[in-house]
Amino acid sequence: KAGVTQTPRYLIKTRGQQVTLSCSPISGHRSVSWYQQTPGQGLQFLFEYFSETQRNKGNFPGRFSGRQFSNSRSEMNVSTLELGDSALYLCASSSGTANEKLFFGSGTQLSVL
Amino acid sequence: DQQVKQNSPSLSVQEGRISILNCDYTNSMFDYFLWYKKYPAEGPTFLISISSIKDKNEDGRFTVFLNKSAKHLSLHIVPSQPGDSAVYFCAASANFDMRFGAGTRLTVKP
Repeated sequence: KAGVTQTPRYLIKTRGQQVTLSCSPISGHRSVSWYQQTPGQGLQFLFEYFSETQRNKGNFPGRFSGRQFSNSRSEMNVSTLELGDSALYLCASSSGTANEKLFFGSGTQLSVL
Repeated sequence: DQQVKQNSPSLSVQEGRISILNCDYTNSMFDYFLWYKKYPAEGPTFLISISSIKDKNEDGRFTVFLNKSAKHLSLHIVPSQPGDSAVYFCAASANFDMRFGAGTRLTVKP
């Protein structure tokens, strides 16, 4: 069974641009969560989608948005990029039941210049 | 809002000795706790978990202890091996909301 796939693996953008990251969950998983990893801050929760609906949201500005498609694939969009958005963005999937472990992808490393 | 805290950014231990990684949380609603391990250029992978109705869970060399009154959990690795060198993240969950700490980088020296 294929794991969680994130594309692209690396991305370089400049300030003010926007970016879209993609995540394909494990087959059969209906929940997708997004996290931002920066040195010293650990994994900061962005949002979680289940069956195309955002079920939870972290404390990030509105420039960060996401969506989930009917096949459970998810995209995350960041508009008006800032230097501080440089980070590793991790996607994780699960079946969506409460209190279960997450399966993570390898992440997309975003650099904003 | 750091609801899950790992106050030690790094830990170094000798091979064969015990590694103890600590984690504190602030939200009383958390009722499920997990530890993940992360190698460079890879996503975190699940290591071990514990429900709030228990105070200990063991899996081979790994044991997680939960002290609900202190809102504290710890991961014990015995004996530590060089292959255990990685970043360890503590996570706490309330229903569908899982929050992570900042991570502790464990180095096991041969």
